[in-house]
Amino acid sequence: AQTVTQSQPEMSVQEAETVTLSCTYDTSESDYYLFWYKQPPSRQMILVIRQEAYKQQNATENRFSVNFQKAAKSFSLKISDSQLGDAAMYFCAYRRVSGYSTLTFGKGTMLLVSP
Amino acid sequence: ETGVTQSPTHLIKTRGQQVTLRCSSQSGHNTVSWYQQALGQGPQFIFQYYREEENGRGNFPPRFSGLQFPNYSSELNVNALELDDSALYLCASSLDSSGGGEQYFGPGTRLTVT
Repeated sequence: AQTVTQSQPEMSVQEAETVTLSCTYDTSESDYYLFWYKQPPSRQMILVIRQEAYKQQNATENRFSVNFQKAAKSFSLKISDSQLGDAAMYFCAYRRVSGYSTLTFGKGTMLLVSP
Repeated sequence: ETGVTQSPTHLIKTRGQQVTLRCSSQSGHNTVSWYQQALGQGPQFIFQYYREEENGRGNFPPRFSGLQFPNYSSELNVNALELDDSALYLCASSLDSSGGGEQYFGPGTRLTVT
């Protein structure tokens, strides 16, 4: 079974600074997808960024980028130029390619952003 | 194009009762997945429906059951409620049951069991 581990329950960052959230996962499969989701107090889970395991290039979406290390099974999220609106719970998630598409989530990291 | 909607927003039930939660999938999506998110935890997969059939299930007992309708909306039913069933229940719809299609989440239903 796949597992996703987020070892940072909470992280703090100041506005305009950069923060990195960590995620490791365990799987025996060679092809899969990895995601970072954001869950603000409104509870709606929003996709931040996704990475296909077969792609060596790290995904980037505006201020959000990932560091995908397949051999180390590591998938960290870097948020540059942090904004107050980035404050939320962030979840790392795994999804296999074959079979039905279910997401396996980590426990989450609460990101606090201060002015 | 409307997003994923869920009803009700909040619900309070007593231990032993039964509850039905509803989810309307995004337009054009034929797959709905349900997740349970306990306080302070990540969501856990309950089951998935694809074209009105259950095609995947997580580690949840049979008292968690579901339905998907011809319009692809879905229900989650929980019988004999227990205190540990208190959680946020999320549904997510996607264009297909496999592959790289994104899952779009609804705002969730907060269930409290007393």
